[in-house]
Amino acid sequence: KAGVTQTPRYLIKTRGQQVTLSCSPISGHRSVSWYQQTPGQGLQFLFEYFSETQRNKGNFPGRFSGRQFSNSRSEMNVSTLELGDSALYLCASSNSIGVNTEAFFGQGTRLTVV
Amino acid sequence: GDSVTQMEGPVTLSEEAFLTINCTYTATGYPSLFWYVQYPGEGLQLLLKATKADDKGSNKGFEATYRKETTSFHLEKGSVQVSDSAVYFCALSDKGTSGSRLTFGEGTQLTVNP
Repeated sequence: KAGVTQTPRYLIKTRGQQVTLSCSPISGHRSVSWYQQTPGQGLQFLFEYFSETQRNKGNFPGRFSGRQFSNSRSEMNVSTLELGDSALYLCASSNSIGVNTEAFFGQGTRLTVV
Repeated sequence: GDSVTQMEGPVTLSEEAFLTINCTYTATGYPSLFWYVQYPGEGLQLLLKATKADDKGSNKGFEATYRKETTSFHLEKGSVQVSDSAVYFCALSDKGTSGSRLTFGEGTQLTVNP
C-alpha cells in the first residue's frame, strides 16, 4: 500500500509569507505527527493529531499551526515566515496513538525561506 | 524533560567492520526506545524498537538492548556494508506523556567505505 505522501517536496518562500504543507497518511492510519528537522536543532516535534483532534503539541511559537481532516489528511501552516524556519518538515503516520506505536515517515517537504 | 544523547559523529568504517553507536536517555516515565535510519533524501525508517527493560530489538543484522540500569540503548552490527551508510537516530516515546511523541537524539552519520 502507498506510504506517507507529503506535498510539495520542495518549496521556496520569502520571509514574511505564509506556507501550507500537506500530508496524506497511510490508508487506515488515523494519527499524524509533524516534525521539523534542521542541522542545528535536529528533529523536533511540532504536533500530533488523532481523529481530527490535536493530542500533543511541541514547543513552537503560535505561527506554527496544523489541522487534520476527516479523511486523516493533515496540513500544517507557518505564518510570517522567518529565515530560521528553513528546514525539512517530516510527517509521520501511525494506526493508533501510544508509546509503542510505529511511526511511518514521509520523505518530507524541504522549505527554504529567503 | 525527556532527552536522548547519541555518540558524536560522524563515524567512518570499512566494510565488514563492527559498528557500535552509543545512545543514552533521560525520561520521566518508562519509555519505549527506537532506532530510526535516514538515507540521503529520504524520510526516517524504523530500524528496530524495544518496549521494556532487557528487550532486544533486531532487524537487518542490527541489534540494540534496552538497559534500564544504565539508561542506554546502544546500536550494534557485527559486519557493516556500504549500503548501511546513512544517518541513525535514537529516539524514545515516553509513557509519561500523551500520544506517540518521539524525542530524538542528534543523529549519527555513518559512512562505510568498500
